[in-house]
Amino acid sequence: DADVTQTPRNRITKTGKRIMLECSQTKGHDRMYWYRQDPGLGLRLIYYSFDVKDINKGEISDGYSVSRQAQAKFSLSLESAIPNQTALYFCATSDPNTGSYGYTFGSGTRLTVV
Amino acid sequence: QQQVKQSPQSLIVQKGGISIINCAYENTAFDYFPWYQQFPGKGPALLIAIRPDVSEKKEGRFTISFNKSAKQFSLHIMDSQPGDSATYFCAAIPNFGNEKLTFGTGTRLTIIP
Repeated sequence: DADVTQTPRNRITKTGKRIMLECSQTKGHDRMYWYRQDPGLGLRLIYYSFDVKDINKGEISDGYSVSRQAQAKFSLSLESAIPNQTALYFCATSDPNTGSYGYTFGSGTRLTVV
Repeated sequence: QQQVKQSPQSLIVQKGGISIINCAYENTAFDYFPWYQQFPGKGPALLIAIRPDVSEKKEGRFTISFNKSAKQFSLHIMDSQPGDSATYFCAAIPNFGNEKLTFGTGTRLTIIP
């Protein structure tokens, strides 16, 4: 099984719909992140959480919300989807105690808003 | 504001050649510089990383060169192979507090036969 699992892998939704992307991890890491990938723009941070009680906005949080249900689960919601939220979304985890700051990414969710 | 600038956006290299991707940064507090490799349909995966106390780090065919005074670092892929075709991201993070990785914009590398 993958260390970081994202569901669904692909999703097509209509403008105005609420949608949730889910992420679960078996790494045992406290830190979790949601990134958005767009061609030419790289990976941009949406939200991050350093433990279950900690939620922080990233550089592009408008239109998104998150929930950290447990150490292993971090969900991203689009309250009212719009076409420019069409993108590839990645969840990641990290453990700063490893000294390497290595992030482990899931395989991504490709979201299309029509 | 893009704190880590990456170039080129795309790169085509012949099999056996050297692929070079460059990154530059502004924040002198950055203390760790990883490179991530992403294949289609997959998430980015850590490839190689360097700290600023060394000027070069080599792992197999992959080498990071680091120039602290110029605030630049680069990834060199020697003897490039078709299997190296992927998107590469540079990144940086300060060594203090609760900081996060800042990523470059990515380079799509294609190795042609």
